[in-house]
Amino acid sequence: EAQVTQNPRYLITVTGKKLTVTCSQNMNHEYMSWYRQDPGLGLRQIYYSMNVEVTDKGDVPEGYKVSRKEKRNFPLILESPSPNQTSLYFCASSTKQAQGFNEQFFGPGTRLTVL
Amino acid sequence: AQSVTQPDIHITVSEGASLELRCNYSYGATPYLFWYVQSPGQGLQLLLKYFSGDTLVQGIKGFEAEFKRSQSSFNLRKPSVHWSDAAEYFCAVLPGSARQLTFGSGTQLTVLP
Repeated sequence: EAQVTQNPRYLITVTGKKLTVTCSQNMNHEYMSWYRQDPGLGLRQIYYSMNVEVTDKGDVPEGYKVSRKEKRNFPLILESPSPNQTSLYFCASSTKQAQGFNEQFFGPGTRLTVL
Repeated sequence: AQSVTQPDIHITVSEGASLELRCNYSYGATPYLFWYVQSPGQGLQLLLKYFSGDTLVQGIKGFEAEFKRSQSSFNLRKPSVHWSDAAEYFCAVLPGSARQLTFGSGTQLTVLP
């Protein structure tokens, strides 16, 4: 089954404790992206990756890191989480086409609480 | 600056009634347009998309959307709402040359029995 998976689905942590949220897709998509969703703000892009070893900042990259060492994986790293990073996080992937990008497929989400 | 606006934060309709969710965007050229739905506790599912061609597009679950260039709008419609349609709906825009999908703030739909 074609899908985007995220782990963990739920995470409660404390301020300053490094964490990683994994994202994996099995569709051989070139493009992958991370979003955070907050009430009243919709989804805001954190980072995206056009392909292996190619990443770029989205609208709200502060406090996050990413890496793209393999095509299928795109982990999101919070080196020193803070309470304002409490949010619902979504990973997404899509194919790339000449004029733009196809629709993005989303993972199930990771709900992160930073105390 | 480019933006996507969903003016209705919350809409309530009765089951069987018609539905229209509004979406407006501000970009220099026609972007790619999408509607996603998020059911409670779920990820986002694509309902429909517009790239070019016929301005009335059909999607899954009986939804359709009409692109109106003159109004910079891409409104989502359904002729008869079902209780299972209760969810949050997001309009999203991807300018043709851009790499970022920009989402509206979402419209929460409540369906009354």
